[in-house]
Amino acid sequence: AQSVTQPDIHITVSEGASLELRCNYSYGATPYLFWYVQSPGQGLQLLLKYFSGDTLVQGIKGFEAEFKRSQSSFNLRKPSVHWSDAAEYFCAVGTSTASKLTFGTGTRLQVTL
Amino acid sequence: GAGVSQSPSNKVTEKGKDVELRCDPISGHTALYWYRQRLGQGLEFLIYFQGNSAPDKSGLPSDRFSAERTGESVSTLTIQRTQQEDSAVYLCASSTTGGQPQHFGDGTRLSIL
Repeated sequence: AQSVTQPDIHITVSEGASLELRCNYSYGATPYLFWYVQSPGQGLQLLLKYFSGDTLVQGIKGFEAEFKRSQSSFNLRKPSVHWSDAAEYFCAVGTSTASKLTFGTGTRLQVTL
Repeated sequence: GAGVSQSPSNKVTEKGKDVELRCDPISGHTALYWYRQRLGQGLEFLIYFQGNSAPDKSGLPSDRFSAERTGESVSTLTIQRTQQEDSAVYLCASSTTGGQPQHFGDGTRLSIL
């Protein structure tokens, strides 16, 4: 069974600083990997996904993530954070054969001005 | 519609009552998913529909929980004899087919008194 670990529960960065949110997964085959963002009181919005191919994937809002098979990681990055990026971020793993996504417990990002 | 729609957005009920939560997926999406999100936690998978059938209902926590989908469209999640531990946000997602990126609704916040 697959699992996801997000080691950082809460991260605070200054506006304009760079950001990296960590995600480690466990899955026996090639995973499908996702990052979602959730603002308070709202559902989840897909930031980016990795299915196969280029290990560096670009997403919306200036985010990118890199799939590193050797480290079982899929870390999310942004070169310059904006105050509007403050939210909860979830990493998730799925498979090619459908069904559920397995989510990490999330990282809450706070942005200071 | 343009996105996944869930109703009601909030539901407060007394312990022991039954509740029904509704999900309208994106038009044309054959796959539909229900998740539960307890306060401060990640998402727990409940059930997956492909069309009107549910090939994976492994996440339903007890026989008090059931779900159905009709017309390859609307889905209803029913919780019978609600307990306080059922308090959570219930999120619905849909995708074009299984394995593809899931698009989430804003959820139903369920509070059991």
